[in-house]
Amino acid sequence: ETGVTQTPRHLVMGMTNKKSLKCEQHLGHNAMYWYKQSAKKPLELMFVYNFKEQTENNSVPSRFSPECPNSSHLFLHLHTLQPEDSALYLCASSQLGLAVAGELFFGEGSRLTVL
Amino acid sequence: AQTVTQSQPEMSVQEAETVTLSCTYDTSESNYYLFWYKQPPSRQMILVIRQEAYKQQNATENRFSVNFQKAAKSFSLKISDSQLGDTAMYFCAYHFLQGGSEKLVFGKGTKLTVNP
Repeated sequence: ETGVTQTPRHLVMGMTNKKSLKCEQHLGHNAMYWYKQSAKKPLELMFVYNFKEQTENNSVPSRFSPECPNSSHLFLHLHTLQPEDSALYLCASSQLGLAVAGELFFGEGSRLTVL
Repeated sequence: AQTVTQSQPEMSVQEAETVTLSCTYDTSESNYYLFWYKQPPSRQMILVIRQEAYKQQNATENRFSVNFQKAAKSFSLKISDSQLGDTAMYFCAYHFLQGGSEKLVFGKGTKLTVNP
């Protein structure tokens, strides 16, 4: 596989469930990101990891818990979510020095619906 | 606060024609980067074009070009000879450094439909 792969592509969960989103990149990048994409709103940066270390938490509620065991894998653990958390969650990767490297590489996203 | 504004939520264009998507941003920085990303329906977001703020020459990538007006903080995307495959959401993004961390701020996007 190449690029950035996200699983599952679709997830429906109740407010009391616990689930996880997974992201894997095969590009040899050293930075990984979680973004939230809601309709008619700008993409919201949630978390940034550089060399497995979290360098950014953009005031995300604690019901979202990221995990980055290595530079190739990124998880987003979900628990006691709210209906307003329903959105498309995008994972991305890049080489550090984003502007020099030129771009983020995105996965196809995980569409989350919270009932 | 750093913001990116895309004032056109939706646009449409006929195949083979030219369309321009607008983007303005707010910044007090002098060195930064600007990007246009494309997100086709149910597909991955990909980079279309990037522009370094210190370069006066407008970036061009095949049928895609930008009109970068630094003083006006404007960064529009022109798509020439539009193709059906250009149908997508287009996001303008602004990159800057804050406290040693790199930040990328996106606009709300413009939904472009290319009609046959």
